[in-house]
Amino acid sequence: QKEVEQDPGPLSVPEGAIVSLNCTYSNSAFQYFMWYRQYSRKGPELLMYTYSSGNKEDGRFTAQVDKSSKYISLFIRDSQPSDSATYLCAMSGSNFGNEKLTFGTGTRLTIIP
Amino acid sequence: DAGVTQSPTHLIKTRGQQVTLRCSPISGHKSVSWYQQVLGQGPQFIFQYYEKEERGRGNFPDRFSARQFPNYSSELNVNALLLGDSALYLCASSRGQDYQPQHFGDGTRLSIL
Repeated sequence: QKEVEQDPGPLSVPEGAIVSLNCTYSNSAFQYFMWYRQYSRKGPELLMYTYSSGNKEDGRFTAQVDKSSKYISLFIRDSQPSDSATYLCAMSGSNFGNEKLTFGTGTRLTIIP
Repeated sequence: DAGVTQSPTHLIKTRGQQVTLRCSPISGHKSVSWYQQVLGQGPQFIFQYYEKEERGRGNFPDRFSARQFPNYSSELNVNALLLGDSALYLCASSRGQDYQPQHFGDGTRLSIL
């Protein structure tokens, strides 16, 4: 069993829709949770990161963490064609920034104009 | 500020050859990590260096090695290349302290023939 599970999609939604992306994990030591966006032939770009349980909002993006369920989500409101990319969840332990990241497989998202 | 820079962008090698990939971190970042991303998968952790010392190693064979230089740049070496080493090799840098996230370069795409 992988430490981090993520539905690979692909996921296609019409422009303006709300998108929900999710990951589950099994390692209770994970404390920091990140979402990266990766365009084709590019490296992952950090969107948001959160510590422990709770919500965090940044513009059209909201990240949620439920440590009791070992479940994290990323919501994209008013989705745009430019949001079409692969979204990767990543996690690390308490020494955030100075230890390895464990990634999901990524969800490929297409926003249809 | 310049982001993480990696060279070369693309590389084609044959089985049994050796390759060296290079990474320059963001200015002020002292930690460098290497990841392997196979097509359709999330990045897998290979190595992490902080202040020129190895801080972590992933589940990769001894054919993979790395080092970090006094200016915090880094090299990843892979010997005796196999077809399965074909992947996007990503470098990420972070301050290595103060709980700051890792930022990725656009990677080196390595193809083994």
